[in-house]
Amino acid sequence: GESVGLHLPTLSVQEGDNSIINCAYSNSASDYFIWYKQESGKGPQFIIDIRSNMDKRQGQRVTVLLNKTVKHLSLQIAATQPGDSAVYFCAENPKRADSWGKLQFGAGTQVVVTP
Amino acid sequence: DAGVTQSPTHLIKTRGQQVTLRCSPKSGHDTVSWYQQALGQGPQFIFQYYEEEERQRGNFPDRFSGHQFPNYSSELNVNALLLGDSALYLCASSFLGTGGTEAFFGQGTRLTVV
Repeated sequence: GESVGLHLPTLSVQEGDNSIINCAYSNSASDYFIWYKQESGKGPQFIIDIRSNMDKRQGQRVTVLLNKTVKHLSLQIAATQPGDSAVYFCAENPKRADSWGKLQFGAGTQVVVTP
Repeated sequence: DAGVTQSPTHLIKTRGQQVTLRCSPKSGHDTVSWYQQALGQGPQFIFQYYEEEERQRGNFPDRFSGHQFPNYSSELNVNALLLGDSALYLCASSFLGTGGTEAFFGQGTRLTVV
């Protein structure tokens, strides 16, 4: 079946460096992609999203890039801080009207920020 | 705005019992989705409710059922609990008018089946 997955299960980053988290997806019909951050014991927190008609979107310290040619999504975090330590998930929202909102999540990447 | 709230936060049940989890959506949201998250994995879609009806469903058995009330709040019921039902159950709310974008999650209910 079609799925969303992540390349790296764990990413160690030094405080102040930039982080890049990657995600591969296989459903070319997806309309909308979202990045979530999940801290231990908490629910996923919305970070940033991007629609399939865009290549790049920037937020506060975060940038999401979408490469539809190779079905690849990435999240860049600038100047990583200790508070960025968490599990990061990419999620896909199907384009079909009868499936929107049925988010499909990848397995997640654990980001560990070291001093 | 309290965001999405779930209750209880933790729950321990015995195999074979039944459980009900509750969710209040973010103010202004009309759609509620439920997800199951096993330890170390991404959330898995259970089902979604809109206008008090189940709109779509994931690959979960009929033991999992739900309800949405006129105030948009929702319940998730699981019957005949199995050990494998132990997980974090997440509720997400969104607004149909935005196509379900910007789904906001609650903090989850940690269910342990013993």
